[in-house]
Amino acid sequence: KAGVTQTPRYLIKTRGQQVTLSCSPISGHRSVSWYQQTPGQGLQFLFEYFSETQRNKGNFPGRFSGRQFSNSRSEMNVSTLELGDSALYLCASSLGWRDEQYFGPGTRLTVT
Amino acid sequence: AQSVSQHNHHVILSEAASLELGCNYSYGGTVNLFWYVQYPGQHLQLLLKYFSGDPLVKGIKGFEAEFIKSKFSFNLRKPSVQWSDTAEYFCAVNGNNNDMRFGAGTRLTVKP
Repeated sequence: KAGVTQTPRYLIKTRGQQVTLSCSPISGHRSVSWYQQTPGQGLQFLFEYFSETQRNKGNFPGRFSGRQFSNSRSEMNVSTLELGDSALYLCASSLGWRDEQYFGPGTRLTVT
Repeated sequence: AQSVSQHNHHVILSEAASLELGCNYSYGGTVNLFWYVQYPGQHLQLLLKYFSGDPLVKGIKGFEAEFIKSKFSFNLRKPSVQWSDTAEYFCAVNGNNNDMRFGAGTRLTVKP
């Protein structure tokens, strides 16, 4: 079974731009969660989607948004990028509610 | 809101030493508990999980963890570490709202 895939793997953007990251979960997994990982803050929960509905959202500004499609693939969007948004963005999928999560390799976003 | 505390930021051990990494959480309801590991340059991987039943759970690569409900703890142990265990270890808690929270991580360095 293929694992969680994320595209692109690396991205460089400038302040003020917007970015869209993509995640394809493991086949059959309906829950997709997104995290931001930085050396100073560790892993911080962004949001979680299940069957195209956002079920949970972490403490991030409205510039961070996401969506999930009917095939469970998910995208997250960050608008008006700031330097502090530079991080590794991780996507994780799980079979269902409260199950263990399987992580993708992440997208390394650098904002200059 | 639930939170997870990992007491040790960086642990340095020699090969064959015993390991115990502390994890405490604050959450009043039923929780699922996880330990994840991130080897250098690799994805986050699940080491072990606790949902219910025997509070002593065994994971991959000889790791185990004990859930002590009265102490809100889920400490990770390994009797004899190897150089290949060098990695970052994350404790995670998932409560009734399926809002997975991760600890800040403990970096383990094993000296050969």
